[in-house]
Amino acid sequence: AQSVTQPDIHITVSEGASLELRCNYSYGATPYLFWYVQSPGQGLQLLLKYFSGDTLVQGIKGFEAEFKRSQSSFNLRKPSVHWSDAAEYFCAVGAQQAGTALIFGKGTTLSVSS
Amino acid sequence: SAVISQKPSRDICQRGTSLTIQCQVDSQVTMMFWYRQQPGQSLTLIATANQGSEATYESGFVIDKFPISRPNLTFSTLTVSNMSPEDSSIYLCSVPQGWGNYGYTFGSGTRLTVV
Repeated sequence: AQSVTQPDIHITVSEGASLELRCNYSYGATPYLFWYVQSPGQGLQLLLKYFSGDTLVQGIKGFEAEFKRSQSSFNLRKPSVHWSDAAEYFCAVGAQQAGTALIFGKGTTLSVSS
Repeated sequence: SAVISQKPSRDICQRGTSLTIQCQVDSQVTMMFWYRQQPGQSLTLIATANQGSEATYESGFVIDKFPISRPNLTFSTLTVSNMSPEDSSIYLCSVPQGWGNYGYTFGSGTRLTVV
């Protein structure tokens, strides 16, 4: 079955500390992988995506993610968290063929403490 | 990438009534997806809407409850029919960006509260 697992429901990080959000996927085909962020009352914003090539991808707002095929993982990282990063983070997987919908994980809520 | 205008942004509706949500895309797209995000939950695909054909619904979603219109390549509507409080959710539309599946754009969402 195709699925995305985000093991951490809620994470609290001190401002300035590093962050890693975990994402594991199960997908029958070669996956496209995405991380989206949703701030309270806001829509989804794409942080980064992986299609092929370099397994370390850079995104907006200082985020990066590393694709590890052997571990079926696509973890999101940021070296220094800012208070404005507090939000809900969703990992998603899709097929390489055009026009297939994304499958989302349940999300991880990030809180940032001062 | 495509830009989506989704309306309304929020609404409070009485149970038993219906609400139609609109998504307008600034470019032609073959497929449009409709998702539901229940409170505190992830996004769940409701249906895929192709222009000129019936929408394809995911398990647990039926056309009578969530009829979809796709009159042209830039516009779609989702109706939530005979609403109950359990329908209180955020509803989002989404379209693929460009050719080769280079990503997806999402509308800003419709926050629906049924009372």
